[in-house]
Amino acid sequence: SAVISQKPSRDICQRGTSLTIQCQVDSQVTMMFWYRQQPGQSLTLIATANQGSEATYESGFVIDKFPISRPNLTFSTLTVSNMSPEDSSIYLCSVTTGTGGNEQYFGPGTRLTVT
Amino acid sequence: AQKITQTQPGMFVQEKEAVTLDCTYDTSDQSYGLFWYKQPSSGEMIFLIYQGSYDEQNATEGRYSLNFQKARKSANLVISASQLGDSAMYFCAMRDTGYALNFGKGTSLLVTP
Repeated sequence: SAVISQKPSRDICQRGTSLTIQCQVDSQVTMMFWYRQQPGQSLTLIATANQGSEATYESGFVIDKFPISRPNLTFSTLTVSNMSPEDSSIYLCSVTTGTGGNEQYFGPGTRLTVT
Repeated sequence: AQKITQTQPGMFVQEKEAVTLDCTYDTSDQSYGLFWYKQPSSGEMIFLIYQGSYDEQNATEGRYSLNFQKARKSANLVISASQLGDSAMYFCAMRDTGYALNFGKGTSLLVTP
């Protein structure tokens, strides 16, 4: 298993500002992912964070809006840039462990409200 | 492309009864993995159970079991002896070739006394 922490746990931000969310894992992992969960919705993958290379973004998500860093095998950050109320969501990081990715664990999430 | 379908937006079950949450999937991959997660109102995603496409036996974890019917492309979650603390959203998900997860829309489960 893996223990994952996220900072901040929640925040209220002004429109037009940016917020950086941190994700820390208690062990080295190759695969880290960032998801967004809009109110009342399911989870949607934003990007795969690769250590030592650029993140891989899903359709509908761009690097200018959601820049990601992955400086080592235990840490990643997601920045939500130039925020609007539509960015109000829970942002979750997750990691894959186990053989063939049969274990996937999530951080506690960051609840973001944009006013 | 993968698709996960959860057709039950909400379910009720009485305490101590068993409940089945439905999940069907569509994929052209031969190798895939299916997951179930519980999300209480706090928002955290709690990993419950995993089933690999080549696993011959249904996965079980305590009170959770996965009824895997490969030919029907279904992976239903069975919760036995429901408890009040089981009230939450439940998500079915499939792992893609890049190891990320594609989620269904979820089922809200309410356990009543």
